[in-house]
Amino acid sequence: AQSVTQLGSHVSVSEGALVLLRCNYSSSVPPYLFWYVQYPNQGLQLLLKYTTGATLVKGINGFEAEFKKSETSFHLTKPSAHMSDAAEYFCAVGSYGNNRLAFGKGNQVVVIP
Amino acid sequence: GAVVSQHPSRVICKSGTSVKIECRSLDFQATTMFWYRQFPKQSLMLMATSNEGSKATYEQGVEKDKFLINHASLTLSTLTVTSAHPEDSSFYICSARDRQVGTGELFFGEGSRLTVL
Repeated sequence: AQSVTQLGSHVSVSEGALVLLRCNYSSSVPPYLFWYVQYPNQGLQLLLKYTTGATLVKGINGFEAEFKKSETSFHLTKPSAHMSDAAEYFCAVGSYGNNRLAFGKGNQVVVIP
Repeated sequence: GAVVSQHPSRVICKSGTSVKIECRSLDFQATTMFWYRQFPKQSLMLMATSNEGSKATYEQGVEKDKFLINHASLTLSTLTVTSAHPEDSSFYICSARDRQVGTGELFFGEGSRLTVL
């Protein structure tokens, strides 16, 4: 079975400061890793994904994440937070041939002016 | 990117009535769609996996007679909440996987907020 751990349900960050959301996964097979963002009363939008190849992945809206197999991590970062980054962020893990994704509990990001 | 559309986005109904929510993949074919339920400030709870042309696979604890899922075509899956009660009020989200893309990425609908009075 695959699982994801996201610690800290609420994350506050000052506008212009670094955004760091931590994601650790558990998987017995090579993982596919995803970060999704959810705005209020909306579905989920893919920010970025890692399947194979380069371990540093760049996504939309200036976000990036690095796959570290030795640490079983896929932390999400953005150098400078913007007010529009306030949202819920979910990390998810899947794998080749696996029909499902396992989601973390999410991080609610609050951006302080 | 691929687009998944859900309808309606919001629905209010009386207790005891049934409500149908549609999930459509607009520009790709989806042999598999997923239905989730999301409670306030919580993660997504997978309810069932909908397979085109066959019966849905329900997660443990989800009543299949209450949450009827039909996946009649490669672009449409429906969730019907039968005899809805106030405790069924929630945000329901569908997702679909593009059968042509093997990376496991899911594309999500906009969600449907159900309020049962």
